[in-house]
Amino acid sequence: KQEVTQIPAALSVPEGENLVLNCSFTDSAIYNLQWFRQDPGKGLTSLLLIQSSQREQTSGRLNASLDKSSGRSTLYIAASQPGDSATYLCAASGYSTLTFGKGTMLLVSP
Amino acid sequence: DVKVTQSSRYLVKRTGEKVFLECVQDMDHENMFWYRQDPGLGLRLIYFSYDVKMKEKGDIPEGYSVSREKKERFSLILESASTNQTSMYLCASSLPLLGGGAGANVLTFGAGSRLTVL
Repeated sequence: KQEVTQIPAALSVPEGENLVLNCSFTDSAIYNLQWFRQDPGKGLTSLLLIQSSQREQTSGRLNASLDKSSGRSTLYIAASQPGDSATYLCAASGYSTLTFGKGTMLLVSP
Repeated sequence: DVKVTQSSRYLVKRTGEKVFLECVQDMDHENMFWYRQDPGLGLRLIYFSYDVKMKEKGDIPEGYSVSREKKERFSLILESASTNQTSMYLCASSLPLLGGGAGANVLTFGAGSRLTVL
């Protein structure tokens, strides 16, 4: 059974820092790896999806990488801003399942 | 703007009541999902559907049922609500993987329904 782990569980940084969020998964037979953002009390918003054949995806200040062989994905956020404060979740998709990590709660202080 | 709409943002129900949570998507997606989210436990899949009238159990289906009579609508039913079903419920939809697998392409989530059972 796929297990997805996110480290750290919480992270606090000053505005302007570059930061990396980590996601690891136990079964490398995935179809894609997705990153989401969740604001308190709200639903999830899709940020990036990396297909299993890809190594990375970029959207604005966000860059996500995927290393299937080592079972890892990272989300890089450049020049963090207070508006980036949220919980970030990753999810690994198999053929018939999607398994979420428990998320990293990010706080960016002005 | 495409979206997934959950009918109720907040509900308060009493133990034993029958509860309906409705979800509608306007993206013509085949796949629809119901999750619950609890602190410390993350998102857990209750049921998913990959076509009209088709449904599959997720990780925690006990105490729940679902209905998908139309492609755009996926309903979650709590036949007899209990206090341990107090939670945030999230609906999502996606296109299927190439080849028809129920694993997800980009997921679009609704805003969530926070249910409290007293």
